[in-house]
Amino acid sequence: EDKVVQSPLSLVVHEGDTVTLNCSYEVTNFRSLLWYKQEKKAPTFLFMLTSSGIEKKSGRLSSILDKKELFSILNITATQTGDSAIYLCAATNFGNEKLTFGTGTRLTIIP
Amino acid sequence: DAGVIQSPRHEVTEMGQEVTLRCKPISGHNSLFWYRQTMMRGLELLIYFNNNVPIDDSGMPEDRFSAKMPNASFSTLKIQPSEPRDSAVYFCASSLNRNTGELFFGEGSRLTVL
Repeated sequence: EDKVVQSPLSLVVHEGDTVTLNCSYEVTNFRSLLWYKQEKKAPTFLFMLTSSGIEKKSGRLSSILDKKELFSILNITATQTGDSAIYLCAATNFGNEKLTFGTGTRLTIIP
Repeated sequence: DAGVIQSPRHEVTEMGQEVTLRCKPISGHNSLFWYRQTMMRGLELLIYFNNNVPIDDSGMPEDRFSAKMPNASFSTLKIQPSEPRDSAVYFCASSLNRNTGELFFGEGSRLTVL
């Protein structure tokens, strides 16, 4: 059975700190890894990673994939209160379209 | 585009009652997914459709759950009879490109079964 595990489960930091969120996966015929941000309602897409070692970056957020060690990290620098959310990691595999999600990391930024 | 539209936003019902959740995907998207989210288990895929055809329903918990997609712009998830353990937020999501994995989620239907 495909599995995605995220750590930590929750994290509380002060505004301005840098955080690293972790995601490991065990997926048959792995295709891609995705990061989503969920604030109060629906998850919204952040990144999709398919190749090892290539960093994806969007503003203060960046992510990288290691297909040998089967994990990904999401970094957020100079955190702001608006970064408070649940960050979800998901993996896909070849042959179907479904995403297997981790349980998420709940990030809280204290002003 | 209005995005993925789900209804109702909130539903409170009593055990044993039938519950129907509805979803309108983004126009032109050809894949539709139903997920359930709980604190304990996170986001779990229940079923997904491609071009209105159910592709994988292995995540549907049991026979009490059923889903249909009669056309490209509408899907329903039905629970009959409902039980307290079905209480969760049910998300519908759609996607355009089966190769990107990028899903567009609705705002969810929060179900409480008493």
